[in-house]
Amino acid sequence: SQKIEQNSEALNIQEGKTATLTCNYTNYSPAYLQWYRQDPGRGPVFLLLIRENEKEKRKERLKVTFDTTLKQSLFHITASQPADSATYLCAQSQNTGTASKLTFGTGTRLQVTL
Amino acid sequence: ETGVTQTPRHLVMGMTNKKSLKCEQHLGHNAMYWYKQSAKKPLELMFVYNFKEQTENNSVPSRFSPECPNSSHLFLHLHTLQPEDSALYLCASSPTGTGYNEQFFGPGTRLTVL
Repeated sequence: SQKIEQNSEALNIQEGKTATLTCNYTNYSPAYLQWYRQDPGRGPVFLLLIRENEKEKRKERLKVTFDTTLKQSLFHITASQPADSATYLCAQSQNTGTASKLTFGTGTRLQVTL
Repeated sequence: ETGVTQTPRHLVMGMTNKKSLKCEQHLGHNAMYWYKQSAKKPLELMFVYNFKEQTENNSVPSRFSPECPNSSHLFLHLHTLQPEDSALYLCASSPTGTGYNEQFFGPGTRLTVL
């Protein structure tokens, strides 16, 4: 069965640097990959979605790439700030025909220090 | 706020108790979801409702009983739970249809089963 893997449990970087988080999938190429941010004690918040036929997507300081050859998506935060510290979740989405079904990875906890 | 509210935010219950979790969305969405989030594990999809009809039950034990009286409200009835059911329970909603719809999450209910 398909698995979404975020192999880095935690990532520590210095303020101003670019954070790069990795998401791998094991079998078939998902039609869509979504990235969410989750702060402690709160629900995930949607950040970006990238489709299978898109190589790259950007939103302000965020960039997501999708490489079907490597079975991987990379999530970049440029000019990182302490406020970016959170857990970032990758999820594949499937169209069931009735509702959007997400399969999540375990997440990567990002810590941005001064 | 995301437009999805959950009550209560925290719940402690004994294994013989019966309790209910409530979720309400003010976004006009037609699909609603229950997820379980345990430490070190990915979010696990439990149930999916689309236009009040259950479309997915992800092999969830019968001690969890969902109810969706209308597209804006979702309940999770709990009875004779086990300590391993302690987790963060998240509700989400989305526009119905294709997999490219983001999901909007509530803040979750932190459940502790003694």
